[in-house]
Amino acid sequence: DAKTTQPNSMESNEEEPVHLPCNHSTISGTDYIHWYRQLPSQGPEYVIHGLTSNVNNRMASLAIAEDRKSSTLILHRATLRDAAVYYCILRANYGQNFVFGPGTRLSVLP
Amino acid sequence: GAGVSQSPRYKVAKRGQDVALRCDPISGHVSLFWYQQALGQGPEFLTYFQNEAQLDKSGLPSDRFFAERPEGSVSTLKIQRTQQEDSAVYLCASSSRQVRSKYNEQFFGPGTRLTVL
Repeated sequence: DAKTTQPNSMESNEEEPVHLPCNHSTISGTDYIHWYRQLPSQGPEYVIHGLTSNVNNRMASLAIAEDRKSSTLILHRATLRDAAVYYCILRANYGQNFVFGPGTRLSVLP
Repeated sequence: GAGVSQSPRYKVAKRGQDVALRCDPISGHVSLFWYQQALGQGPEFLTYFQNEAQLDKSGLPSDRFFAERPEGSVSTLKIQRTQQEDSAVYLCASSSRQVRSKYNEQFFGPGTRLTVL
């Protein structure tokens, strides 16, 4: 699986938007971009995924660069419950397990 | 509906003891994964089952680690002769589709925190 690079940590104020970047310069044409997050003392949970086009769901938006070498997870209004480690993961269309990096630890300040 | 459950949530073992960690996946889910998560790091893949077949065990760190899923539902991860470096959170995840499908979200359990003294 291709590697991803994320900042170790980020801070946000409550009710403000948060943009979490991810670089994946070695992405291949069949790699999907997945985002999972892990709240304290819990297992990871799905946030969003995409291939080429930007994606929106009830949790977040995913903006994918035109060359697909980077992407950004957007939380439109951060809440205290969004404080977690966010993982950006690439996986081929026919891949198996996820390969997690260290992720970005997001702190949300009241 | 019920999510993925794991038991026990916490396990303390003396070095050299054998331990067994249980995973109850979401009912009907075909795929089951085990991951190991050391403190401050992301989860690392251990092994994968499709129904009762163990299709990938490339992530198991040594022959002391053994996993099974005999009836294609509940899975057990067994660690023999535990060592201090085995201390970690062990996560189980299940997925509804076979691996070779367009997309399959993985649903994770809360994990079992193993501490080896």
